[in-house]
Order: sequence, then structure tokens, then C-alpha cells
Amino acid sequence: AQTVTQSQPEMSVQEAETVTLSCTYDTSESDYYLFWYKQPPSRQMILVIRQEAYKQQNATENRFSVNFQKAAKSFSLKISDSQLGDAAMYFCAYPSQGGNNRKLIWGLGTSLAVNP
Amino acid sequence: DAGITQSPRHKVTETGTPVTLRCHQTENHRYMYWYRQDPGHGLRLIHYSYGVKDTDKGEVSDGYSVSRSKTEDFLLTLESATSSQTSVYFCAISDAGTGMNTEAFFGQGTRLTVV
Repeated sequence: AQTVTQSQPEMSVQEAETVTLSCTYDTSESDYYLFWYKQPPSRQMILVIRQEAYKQQNATENRFSVNFQKAAKSFSLKISDSQLGDAAMYFCAYPSQGGNNRKLIWGLGTSLAVNP
Repeated sequence: DAGITQSPRHKVTETGTPVTLRCHQTENHRYMYWYRQDPGHGLRLIHYSYGVKDTDKGEVSDGYSVSRSKTEDFLLTLESATSSQTSVYFCAISDAGTGMNTEAFFGQGTRLTVV
């Protein structure tokens, strides 16, 4: 079965510090994308960063970067210089594959608090 | 921002009544999805569509039906609402056109309360 596991239901970080959110997944595919989404209190789901599995280089978007370990099926999100606006739920996701079955498999999320 | 609109944004309904939620997109994306979000359960897929009149069940489809008669509209119907269907419902769209880049764009969500 295709699964995504986020082992940290809640985390906290001091403003300006760095925090890493973990995500592991299970797939038999070799070519796929991985995504991190952010859901602030407004409820709007926002794509934070994506990683292409066939690329060895870790993706980076400003203060957000990933540590992608393909063999270990691990896809962690690092937030540097944390800001109060980073407080949100963060979800890891990857696409299931096969025919018309183009849908995302989601982790249960990590709630991140940022302390001033 | 992706053009995706959900209506209504909030709704309170009584147990046993039918309810229809609407998702409208202006992106011409092929895939459309309905999720529900509940504390401790993350996002759970209810139904999805991969084209006009082409739909399939997700992991929590019981008690829900969908229809997609046009590319831009995807309707979710609760045939007879129950209190267990109180939730926040999200519509999402995806082009999924190139390989596995299945980035999803989300609507603002609908908070449904069944009393």
C-alpha cells in the first residue's frame, strides 16, 4: 500500500531558528514528485516546495529546503530563519500512480508553532 | 492564484437533508478532487474526477456522490446528511499532464455543519 508518514504531530521552534519536519513514504515507483503543503489558520492550502525524485539535488525555495533521501524514502522539510507567519499545519504528499489514478497520498500533517 | 471557487463557504444543515457543494474552476484542469478534513485524519479523499462524466471513489466515499457534467464544475452531494459528515470540505484541481507532477491547487474550503 502507498502510504505517507509524518511522525511528528506537533512541533515548535523559536523565531529565527531552524526546524526540520520529517516525512517518509512508501512507493515502488522510481520516477515521481513529492510535495510539501502549508495550511495556515486561514485554511488555504499552499504549495511550499516540490522535489523531483529523479533529481539528486535537493529542492530549495527561499527559506524552505528539503532533504530528500530516495533510498530511505525520506523527504524532510527544513525551514530556516523561522518567522511567525510560518506557523501552520504542514502536509507531505506524493502522487499515486497507475492509469487514471492521478491523486495525491497525504500524510496526517505536522502542526508547527513559532514562538516569538 | 489558480482559479478555483467553492460554494457555499459555510453551511449549516439538518440531519437527513440533501446537501450539494459546488466546485468551479477556470483553469481547464483535467482532474478534480473532493476531500474532507477532520482533526487527526488529515485530508481524506472522497471522490475524484479525471474528465467529464468520469469519476471514481476515494477512501471515504460512503454517503457521498459526485457529478461532473462540464470540465469546470464538480459537484459533491450528500444524499442524506448525517452528523458524521460535519467537516471542512476542500475541492482541488490538478493538471497532472506531465509525468507525475501532480501539483494540486485548492479551493478555500467549505465548513459544513450537520445538526
